[in-house]
Amino acid sequence: KAGVTQTPRYLIKTRGQQVTLSCSPISGHRSVSWYQQTPGQGLQFLFEYFSETQRNKGNFPGRFSGRQFSNSRSEMNVSTLELGDSALYLCASSSERGTDTQYFGPGTRLTVL
Amino acid sequence: QKEVEQDPGPLSVPEGAIVSLNCTYSNSAFQYFMWYRQYSRKGPELLMYTYSSGNKEDGRFTAQVDKSSKYISLFIRDSQPSDSATYLCAMKPSGGSYIPTFGRGTSLIVHP
Repeated sequence: KAGVTQTPRYLIKTRGQQVTLSCSPISGHRSVSWYQQTPGQGLQFLFEYFSETQRNKGNFPGRFSGRQFSNSRSEMNVSTLELGDSALYLCASSSERGTDTQYFGPGTRLTVL
Repeated sequence: QKEVEQDPGPLSVPEGAIVSLNCTYSNSAFQYFMWYRQYSRKGPELLMYTYSSGNKEDGRFTAQVDKSSKYISLFIRDSQPSDSATYLCAMKPSGGSYIPTFGRGTSLIVHP
């Protein structure tokens, strides 16, 4: 079974631009969560989607948004990029909500110049 | 004070050593405790999962939870260079939000 895939793997953007990241969960998984990982803050939860609905949201500004499609694929969008948005963005999928076996993708490395 | 504290290291040990990785936490509601391993340029991979207090063993790995001290540990026996990675602890309460709180990770280097 294929793992979680994330595209693109690397991105370089400039301040003020916007970016869209994509995540394809493991086949059959319906829950997708997004995390931001930085050396200073570690892994921080962004949001969780299940059955196309946002179920939980972390403490991030409204510039960070996401959505989930009927095939469980998910996208996250960051508008008006800031230097501090440079991070590894990780997507994790699980079969149902609340299961502890979250499978992480390799992440998208975003650099904002 | 962060909810979950984890020494970032790096922790450098010789091959074959017993490694002890630790996290402390402040939220007494945490009931589920996880350890993830993250190799460079990869996503985290779930290693161990325990509920409440006690020990759990899986091969060379042992997870230990002491809720009275709000302290969890991961022991790695007969460490190998392939164990070199960042180890993240994570925990969450029962019920309510399904979202775990992660430690910042400890970088482990096992040298031959």
